[in-house]
Amino acid sequence: ETGVTQSPTHLIKTRGQQVTLRCSSQSGHNTVSWYQQALGQGPQFIFQYYREEENGRGNFPPRFSGLQFPNYSSELNVNALELDDSALYLCASSHPGRDRGASGANVLTFGAGSRLTVL
Amino acid sequence: GESVGLHLPTLSVQEGDNSIINCAYSNSASDYFIWYKQESGKGPQFIIDIRSNMDKRQGQRVTVLLNKTVKHLSLQIAATQPGDSAVYFCAPITGGGNKLTFGTGTQLKVEL
Repeated sequence: ETGVTQSPTHLIKTRGQQVTLRCSSQSGHNTVSWYQQALGQGPQFIFQYYREEENGRGNFPPRFSGLQFPNYSSELNVNALELDDSALYLCASSHPGRDRGASGANVLTFGAGSRLTVL
Repeated sequence: GESVGLHLPTLSVQEGDNSIINCAYSNSASDYFIWYKQESGKGPQFIIDIRSNMDKRQGQRVTVLLNKTVKHLSLQIAATQPGDSAVYFCAPITGGGNKLTFGTGTQLKVEL
């Protein structure tokens, strides 16, 4: 098991630019979710992908978009970057039918994140 | 909507003492509650979960208590160790799926 890997680990962009963040899911995981974590805050749900389709979205504008590939890896794209987009972006993968806690909750495996700074 | 609050943003304990981290939630329809631990420079890591029809669950050195009447849960860590230093989040889950609602978190600092 290699876990969830994300790239790049750090990057700096300027306002108005576009960014693509990448995530490799843990082996066997077919669902991927993206979260935004501002400094000193908890992660906020952006969206979830299952079988290459978005099947859940949080309160984020359309300039946040994503893709999931046949190998279950994923991308997060953010267009027209704003200063408030500066955050740690976390990818989490899961296999809802298999990875559950002892009480039955679906367990997510998070990557270490991509730290985006928008200047 | 869902809101999650934590009573203490920072908790300092002596090594070997017990720690209690509290969490309030607003959605009475939450099906599960999960505690995650986030160490510096890492993503959140699953600790323990509890279903809404339970009031207590025990794991290795950790105990979760759930009080649905007042919409409150707590994470108790026995014999706190330096490796327990991290930010702790409770995350309710409603309707299954992967949408976790995290609060601000509680920073646990273990003093030697």
